[in-house]
Amino acid sequence: AQSVTQLDSHVSVSEGTPVLLRCNYSSSYSPSLFWYVQHPNKGLQLLLKYTSAATLVKGINGFEAEFKKSETSFHLTKPSAHMSDAAEYFCVVSVSGGYNKLIFGAGTRLAVHP
Amino acid sequence: DTGVSQNPRHKITKRGQNVTFRCDPISEHNRLYWYRQTLGQGPEFLTYFQNEAQLEKSRLLSDRFSAERPKGSFSTLEIQRTEQGDSAMYLCASSLIAGGDTQYFGPGTRLTVL
Repeated sequence: AQSVTQLDSHVSVSEGTPVLLRCNYSSSYSPSLFWYVQHPNKGLQLLLKYTSAATLVKGINGFEAEFKKSETSFHLTKPSAHMSDAAEYFCVVSVSGGYNKLIFGAGTRLAVHP
Repeated sequence: DTGVSQNPRHKITKRGQNVTFRCDPISEHNRLYWYRQTLGQGPEFLTYFQNEAQLEKSRLLSDRFSAERPKGSFSTLEIQRTEQGDSAMYLCASSLIAGGDTQYFGPGTRLTVL
């Protein structure tokens, strides 16, 4: 069965410093993995998606994630945090073999301080 | 492409009342999903439609819940005899079969049961 574990429920960084949000996954198949972001009172927005084409995936707003099969990880990074990055981030795995039900992690709340 | 829309955005009801939510997917998206998100958690899958056919229902979806997608376009989610435990954000997402896994989410309907 597929699952994801987000290793930090809260991360706090200063503006201009790097961001690292950690995610481990479990999947019996070659997984599709995603990061979504949720700003307060807004819908979930897709940041990036991994589907086995390239292990380093670039997303929107300067975010990227690296798929490491040996570590079953899919950590999200950004070189320099901006105040507008403050939000809830979800690591997601897609259930393969049909209609692609998404399994979400519990989320990591990112705070960015001036 | 106007995105996924959901109505109402907020619903407050008294325990025991029935409520109905509507989701309008992105035009021509043939897959439609409902998820539920409780406070501090990631979204959890509820049910899925391919065109007008409801192909899977989660065990989270008790017999008080029913979902329809009558013409393969918009969908409704009805909760009968609401309970306080039904208070949550109800999210709708849509995708194209040809688009693979990528699901696009609406802003959600926040339900509060008093």
